[in-house]
Amino acid sequence: DAMVIQNPRYQVTQFGKPVTLSCSQTLNHNVMYWYQQKSSQAPKLLFHYYDKDFNNEADTPDNFQSRRPNTSFCFLDIRSPGLGDAAMYLCATSRENLEPQHFGDGTRLSIL
Amino acid sequence: AQSVTQLGSHVSVSEGALVLLRCNYSSSVPPYLFWYVQYPNQGLQLLLKYTSAATLVKGINGFEAEFKKSETSFHLTKPSAHMSDAAEYFCAVFNKLVFGAGTILRVKS
Repeated sequence: DAMVIQNPRYQVTQFGKPVTLSCSQTLNHNVMYWYQQKSSQAPKLLFHYYDKDFNNEADTPDNFQSRRPNTSFCFLDIRSPGLGDAAMYLCATSRENLEPQHFGDGTRLSIL
Repeated sequence: AQSVTQLGSHVSVSEGALVLLRCNYSSSVPPYLFWYVQYPNQGLQLLLKYTSAATLVKGINGFEAEFKKSETSFHLTKPSAHMSDAAEYFCAVFNKLVFGAGTILRVKS
């Protein structure tokens, strides 16, 4: 089945220690998104790629970076995680802008 | 700017009862509107979408929503709740996907 896969499902890191979250897709979609969802809140868009074009949201902290080496993979890098970065991180894809997004199951990040 | 407001952070219904989850949107352009469902520790799953075609949209799992421009609303309904419908529901407006705060649906047996 075509899908969006996030690894790992649960990630624990130490305060200030860089961490990378992974997302892959078999849908061959042009657009890939990263969302942050804190407990009991709606997902908040961090950034997205349309093909290789990177689009950062204005209020996304500089601590968050992303890479998309090819169509299938997209990574979220948190350079120096703080306690406030503990959240569920959701990856999503869509074929084109304005089309429905397909979500992965998320990676829950804990900071020690 | 686009935004959505979901009325009621928690809704509780009995099994077999009508489900009504409210969503009002604000958009300066004709909106694309979506309802997503999220089960615990999972990603979001698309229930249905409105993209300026029919105003009554049918989705998966027996859910439907009606776009009412005069009321700027896109409420989600299901005639008869099932225990498996217990989840969090998000209304969202596009073109950059902006989510409402979510409504947790509890279904009582």
